[in-house]
Amino acid sequence: MQMTQSPSSLSASVGDTVTITCRASHNISIDVAWFQHKPGQAPQRLIYAASTLQNGVPARFSGRGSGADFSLTITNLQPEDFSTYYCLQHNTYPLTFGGGTSVEIK
Amino acid sequence: DVQLVASGGAFVQPGGSLRLSCEASGFTFSAYWMHWVRQAPGKGLEWLGTIKKDGSAKFYLGSVEGRFTISRDNANNSLFLQMDNLRVEDTGLYYCARGLLYTWGQGTLVTVSS
Repeated sequence: MQMTQSPSSLSASVGDTVTITCRASHNISIDVAWFQHKPGQAPQRLIYAASTLQNGVPARFSGRGSGADFSLTITNLQPEDFSTYYCLQHNTYPLTFGGGTSVEIK
Repeated sequence: DVQLVASGGAFVQPGGSLRLSCEASGFTFSAYWMHWVRQAPGKGLEWLGTIKKDGSAKFYLGSVEGRFTISRDNANNSLFLQMDNLRVEDTGLYYCARGLLYTWGQGTLVTVSS
């Protein structure tokens, strides 16, 4: 099971809205999670079941999708959101992450 | 507080072995599937494997199956990753994680080099 994540990197400004997409090679229902990973820190789960916000995660993060196409949107980008983001499919073993998207400051 | 503390990372030569540990606290360890995930230098996250709550089922990434073995000791709230026949490409930061990866340890560094 492949998870094709795009873009691999993007530049944005504080206050912007950005969207990251993941496409699965097969139908995986809503078995997708999204993670934020900052250097030197453990990854943090943001979204599970494709669109459910993890407790404590700001509402500017949102996920959508089902089947094979999924997206993570960050609205009103904040300085602390500049990081790398990964999707993960947990429908089929082995679990697979997308290649990652680095969100950089423009 | 929920905590996962990974340890055991070291420098090892190709072909060598290493055993990583992950000590859990702050939750009922035996109630959760546990996972190992790694990140090679400059690369993305890579899922390695998982073990069922009671240890009765395990699933692995194909490239590590047969070389890596996940086990757990529920009495002592500990997760393990036995890594044998290590390769240079196994170098990376190794994380343990709880449940569907919603709690992670801080990672332990494994370096495989001659």
